[in-house]
Amino acid sequence: AQKVTQAQTEISVVEKEDVTLDCVYETRDTTYYLFWYKQPPSGELVFLIRRNSFDEQNEISGRYSWNFQKSTSSFNFTITASQVVDSAVYFCALSENTGRRALTFGSGTRLQVQP
Amino acid sequence: DAGITQSPRHKVTETGTPVTLRCHQTENHRYMYWYRQDPGHGLRLIHYSYGVKDTDKGEVSDGYSVSRSKTEDFLLTLESATSSQTSVYFCATRTGVNSPLHFGNGTRLTVT
Repeated sequence: AQKVTQAQTEISVVEKEDVTLDCVYETRDTTYYLFWYKQPPSGELVFLIRRNSFDEQNEISGRYSWNFQKSTSSFNFTITASQVVDSAVYFCALSENTGRRALTFGSGTRLQVQP
Repeated sequence: DAGITQSPRHKVTETGTPVTLRCHQTENHRYMYWYRQDPGHGLRLIHYSYGVKDTDKGEVSDGYSVSRSKTEDFLLTLESATSSQTSVYFCATRTGVNSPLHFGNGTRLTVT
């Protein structure tokens, strides 16, 4: 069975600090996709990034960066120079390449950025 | 924005009553999903659909049923609501098998 673990339940940082959210996954599929979603206090779920299992290059988008390491089954998310608007719950998810083709989500990490 | 509308947005109901939540999409996406969100559990898959009249169970399907008679509508029914079904329910769609999910704004259901 597929599984996504986000061991950090809650992280609190002060504005402008860098913060890394950890995501570890388990899958038997050789081809799979990984995702990150953001859920701000307003409650909607916002897609941030998708990465496939054949592409281990790190990705940077503004203050956000993602580190995918197949050897350790991790897909970590770093926010550089955090801002109060980054306060949200962040979910990591894994997409099956067979069967029901649904996303399996981690339990989420709540990030609080203090001014 | 994948044009997903969930209704109602909030509902309070009593134990034992049937409840139907509706998900309507305007993007003609083939794949649709129902998840529930609970503290400490993230989002868990209830049911999903590959197309009209093609549905299947997710990991937490007990006590729920779904129907999809039109591409744009995916209904989730709680046959006899229980307090353990108090949750926030999200509908999602996707264009293809590995594309991102796009979510509706959720339905907050309270079963008293």
